[in-house]
Amino acid sequence: EAGVAQSPRYKIIEKRQSVAFWCNPISGHATLYWYQQILGQGPKLLIQFQNNGVVDDSQLPKDRFSAERLKGVDSTLKIQPAKLEDSAVYLCASSLTRDSWNEQFFGPGTRLTVL
Amino acid sequence: EDQVTQSPEALRLQEGESSSLNCSYTVSGLRGLFWYRQDPGKGPEFLFTLYSAGEEKEKERLKATLTKKESFLHITAPKPEDSATYLCAVQLDRGSTLGRLYFGRGTQLTVWP
Repeated sequence: EAGVAQSPRYKIIEKRQSVAFWCNPISGHATLYWYQQILGQGPKLLIQFQNNGVVDDSQLPKDRFSAERLKGVDSTLKIQPAKLEDSAVYLCASSLTRDSWNEQFFGPGTRLTVL
Repeated sequence: EDQVTQSPEALRLQEGESSSLNCSYTVSGLRGLFWYRQDPGKGPEFLFTLYSAGEEKEKERLKATLTKKESFLHITAPKPEDSATYLCAVQLDRGSTLGRLYFGRGTQLTVWP
């Protein structure tokens, strides 16, 4: 079974530039998550999709971050404009459903450095 | 405020020296407690889910236990390949945020030969 795919793996940009990350979840997984992991901390959920609808975006900084999941499969997360404090690893995860008995499978992450 | 606290922040063990990692939580409506392993440059890898106090789960040299306020990850006779950051997370029984995992900061474990 193929895992969660993410690209790019690394990205370096200057502040005020824009950046986009892509995620392809495990086939058949209805729920997709984007987490932000700052160095030395645990991941923090930014947004959660159930199929192609947003079910939890309460911790997404909506003035600069946006995300979409077209056709209930792939997803993109965008930051525009980026700030220094956005430097982090952005992790995508997927699960069969939102229920706790369905484990979340994580991708390798995209490491973003904002200069 | 919901909180997940892991201790110690870092732990160095000699190969074969057993120890425990702690995850304490102050939340209301615990739906599940999760343990993940994270290697450098990789995403977290699922280890266990615990649902109720008294529950225990084992996998190779790892054993996870749960009480009403904390969880322990026991590592028996660790090997260098067990070196990683171990993350604890909770999922809460709240409809609007169902699915969201609240993570602790992790314990960085180093096992030396």
